[in-house]
Amino acid sequence: DSGVTQTPKHLITATGQRVTLRCSPRSGDLSVYWYQQSLDQGLQFLIQYYNGEERAKGNILERFSAQQFPDLHSELNLSSLELGDSALYFCASSVVGLAEETQYFGPGTRLLVL
Amino acid sequence: GNSVTQMEGPVTLSEEAFLTINCTYTATGYPSLFWYVQYPGEGLQLLLKATKADDKGSNKGFEATYRKETTSFHLEKGSVQVSDSAVYFCALRYNTDKLIFGTGTRLQVFP
Repeated sequence: DSGVTQTPKHLITATGQRVTLRCSPRSGDLSVYWYQQSLDQGLQFLIQYYNGEERAKGNILERFSAQQFPDLHSELNLSSLELGDSALYFCASSVVGLAEETQYFGPGTRLLVL
Repeated sequence: GNSVTQMEGPVTLSEEAFLTINCTYTATGYPSLFWYVQYPGEGLQLLLKATKADDKGSNKGFEATYRKETTSFHLEKGSVQVSDSAVYFCALRYNTDKLIFGTGTRLQVFP
């Protein structure tokens, strides 16, 4: 158990819909990261937050957005969903976000868009 | 830009065989290097890491040495077990930039 929790575990929805994925980092970790894992794209970094502020952005679509709240939990919002958004979405956390820090991953949310 | 290249899988081995999974990287400067493992149906777990040249990371019998001269971070284990069957990801991170993963290598160990 990494200490990072993600809900829900599974999500099935239809094209055009909007969903929210939630992540609670390990106790004491200020930095949260979101990743997408799909068969064709592999593991891709989406976005990073540090203590409520966006720190780095990766290959995140404009239809996707995220935020980190004062209690440090984070939410990833996916809107106007397409079939190709079906993937495993991971959240990870680390203490402050330095390069050498270990990122601890949650169990993931499996999203299926029908 | 920064990138990671891993050997393609699946790698199929008998129990107690020697394992090598190759990983090479391209990066500006000196990144930190990681091996993560993903067991079926689970998230990623850090297996080992090295933060500077010539460092050796080790955990659970797995080892990898950060080789600056060959820009490599190959994963090795002397004697694999069935329970080591998983997907292994090599990754790098430079400064506070994003964690960049390789494509993953599936390892299947048979009794």
